[in-house]
Formats: sequence, C-alpha cells, structure tokens
Amino acid sequence: AQSVTQLDSHVSVSEGTPVLLRCNYSSSYSPSLFWYVQHPNKGLQLLLKYTSAATLVKGINGFEAEFKKSETSFHLTKPSAHMSDAAEYFCVVSDAELIFGAGTRLAVHP
Amino acid sequence: DAGVTQSPTHLIKTRGQQVTLRCSPKSGHDTVSWYQQALGQGPQFIFQYYEEEERQRGNFPDRFSGHQFPNYSSELNVNALLLGDSALYLCASTLTRDSGGSEQFFGPGTRLTVL
Repeated sequence: AQSVTQLDSHVSVSEGTPVLLRCNYSSSYSPSLFWYVQHPNKGLQLLLKYTSAATLVKGINGFEAEFKKSETSFHLTKPSAHMSDAAEYFCVVSDAELIFGAGTRLAVHP
Repeated sequence: DAGVTQSPTHLIKTRGQQVTLRCSPKSGHDTVSWYQQALGQGPQFIFQYYEEEERQRGNFPDRFSGHQFPNYSSELNVNALLLGDSALYLCASTLTRDSGGSEQFFGPGTRLTVL
C-alpha cells in the first residue's frame, strides 16, 4: 500500500527566509506525488505534481519539490517565504485515489 | 469556468440523524471523489463515482453511501450519524481519461457538526 509521511507537523519561518517542508513516501512502484495547500476556509489547491518526468518540479507561487527515489523523499521548498504562504500543506501520493499526509502547518512571522 | 461547488457550506445535525451533501464537479469533469477531513488531520478518501457507479471505496462503513447523476453531480449520504462523523467533507472532480497522476480539483467543503 502507498503512503506518505510528513515529518513536521508545524514549521515556523521568518518572512524572506527559505521554506522546507519534508515528505517521505512509500510505494511499490513509481508514484505520482503532489503537494496541495489549504488556506483557512478555502478549498485545497494544487501547488505542484510529479508524474515521472523531471525530478525537480516547479509549482505555483515560487514553490518547487525534488523527487529523490534513493531517499523516497519529495520535499517542498521555497527560497523566500511570504506572509501569504501561511497555510496547511499536504503531501499526497496518488493511487486510484489520493492518499494524504497528516499535513504541515506553516507559520510565517514578520 | 465554474469550479467544484458544494452545498451546504455548514450543517448541524444530532446523533442518529441522516444527512445529504451535494457536489457539482468542475465543468467537463466526469469523476467525483469524496473525502472526509477531521479536525487537524489530512483528508481521507471515502469513495469515487464514475458513470453513476461507485468505482472505488475507502475504509468507511456502509452508513456512508453516495450517488452520481447523469449530469455528473454527486451526493454523499450518511445515515445514523455519530459524533465522530463531525468533519469537513470535501468533494473533488477530475476527468477519468486523464487519471493516473491527474489533478483533482477540490470544492470548498461542507462543514458537518454532529451534536
């Protein structure tokens, strides 16, 4: 069975500093992986997806993620955090359905 | 282009009652999935509908049932409500021929509170 583990439940950064949200996956075959963001009282929005093309995936709002098969990781990064990035982030692996991690709450301080 | 819409936005029920939640998929999409998101957790897959049939189901009891209509809209029904059914219920749509790594588009959800 496929699964994802988000290694941090909360991450706090200062505005303008880099963001790193960590995700490890478990899959018996080459997975499709996603990062979704959920702002309060809003629906889930896709940030980026990996589907066995380039291992470095660029998404919206300056986010990117790197697929590392040897480490079974798919960490999300952004060079410079903005206040509007404060939200809940979910790492997701796709079987026929989407399998979500528990989420990482990102706080951005001025 | 209308995205995924859900109704109602909020709902309060008491234990033992039944509830129906509704979802209209994004224009052009034919597949609808339902997820339950308990407070502080990631969404969990309930089931998926395609061509008016339940195609796949997660680990949820038979109290959870659904339906898909010819216009691809969908309903989620929950019978004999329990306190633990309190959650945000999310609907997501996609186009089946693009499945296998395709994006699912999510609605804003219905917040169900069971008292």
